[in-house]
Amino acid sequence: DTGVSQDPRHKITKRGQNVTFRCDPISEHNRLYWYRQTLGQGPEFLTYFQNEAQLEKSRLLSDRFSAERPKGSFSTLEIQRTEQGDSAMYLCASSRSDGYGYTFGSGTRLTVV
Amino acid sequence: QKEVEQDPGPLSVPEGAIVSLNCTYSNSAFQYFMWYRQYSRKGPELLMYTYSSGNKEDGRFTAQVDKSSKYISLFIRDSQPSDSATYLCAMRAGNNRKLIWGLGTSLAVNP
Repeated sequence: DTGVSQDPRHKITKRGQNVTFRCDPISEHNRLYWYRQTLGQGPEFLTYFQNEAQLEKSRLLSDRFSAERPKGSFSTLEIQRTEQGDSAMYLCASSRSDGYGYTFGSGTRLTVV
Repeated sequence: QKEVEQDPGPLSVPEGAIVSLNCTYSNSAFQYFMWYRQYSRKGPELLMYTYSSGNKEDGRFTAQVDKSSKYISLFIRDSQPSDSATYLCAMRAGNNRKLIWGLGTSLAVNP
């Protein structure tokens, strides 16, 4: 296992379209996190899973955003009816249940035109 | 006031210099402190992970935590051009799994 994988690396979409991103965590990590990062800012927490259970969601995660982690392995983040303000880097991270080894993927850069 | 304050820089130093990066925070419940390095268009990479107060050294990197002052530092010795990146501090409380981040400090090490 070489780390956290995210797909796609880049996504350009038209406003109003739906997009879905995938994250494959480090296999022995049972916690998975989604963050969003805009230029010049630190990452902002969106949501996190322990195994398949979504335990916390940020207020940043509007009704247009949904995340899943079926079977406690990979996770998907879907954004419906994209808006230009959704343009950002979407980062996935995973860790052990004690929080150690918090490792990020390379991110998916979304551009909404 | 943000929970974590970090000067965004940019910071420019000559090769071989000692670099000092800092963050202050307001939440006394924070117990775990991390420094990440982020290259352009890449995800953050964990450099140092510290629990509570004290120092931790790893090669050219030293992390310091002063909980009484709510102040953390990262020192880079013998800085190299390859150290040019954005350095982000992050921290969390013991009972919370989400990280609270600084803005990041942009560092340029000039050959």
